Amino acid sequence: KNQVEQSPQSLIILEGKNCTLQCNYTVSPFSNLRWYKQDTGRGPVSLTIMTFSENTKSNGRYTATLDADTKQSSLHITASQLSDSASYICVVSAGGNTPLVFGKGTRLSVIA
Amino acid sequence: SAVISQKPSRDICQRGTSLTIQCQVDSQVTMMFWYRQQPGQSLTLIATANQGSEATYESGFVIDKFPISRPNLTFSTLTVSNMSPEDSSIYLCTVSRGNTEAFFGQGTRLTVV
Repeated sequence: KNQVEQSPQSLIILEGKNCTLQCNYTVSPFSNLRWYKQDTGRGPVSLTIMTFSENTKSNGRYTATLDADTKQSSLHITASQLSDSASYICVVSAGGNTPLVFGKGTRLSVIA
Repeated sequence: SAVISQKPSRDICQRGTSLTIQCQVDSQVTMMFWYRQQPGQSLTLIATANQGSEATYESGFVIDKFPISRPNLTFSTLTVSNMSPEDSSIYLCTVSRGNTEAFFGQGTRLTVV
């Protein structure tokens, strides 16, 4: 069964600190992996998209890594800000016209 | 990119009633999907909205409860029928174009009282 597992479920960090979120997946075949940021009550917003051949991709203070062999990804947030408080969702695509497979997300709270 | 207009953004409904959610895309897209996100849960696929034919439902979701229309390549509706408090969720329309492009509506926050 295609699944995406994320850890931790929730995380609280101080403003200015770094953090890393984890994602493991069993989706096959694999086309790409995406990280989204979702504010409460809003639709997800794309942060990064990585295909099989990409190991790392950055978007400002967000850096995602992908190990397609171990089927693991991480999202590293540098110098966190209060506005980073949101759910971060790992999503994997099997490609073509198949629906995306969503993880349950990591709820990040950045406090002053 | 694609711009998606999803309406309503939120609603409070009485149990036993039905609500129809609309999803309008500013360009033609191949695939449109409807997801549900219950409190504290991940996005769960309800169905794939197929243009010109019946929607394809995931296990646990049925057409009588969640009828879907897709009359053309830019528009779809999801109806939540005979609502109960357990249907309180965020409902999200997503569209896909190619392998890497996916766009999301802003979601509909439904509360059933």
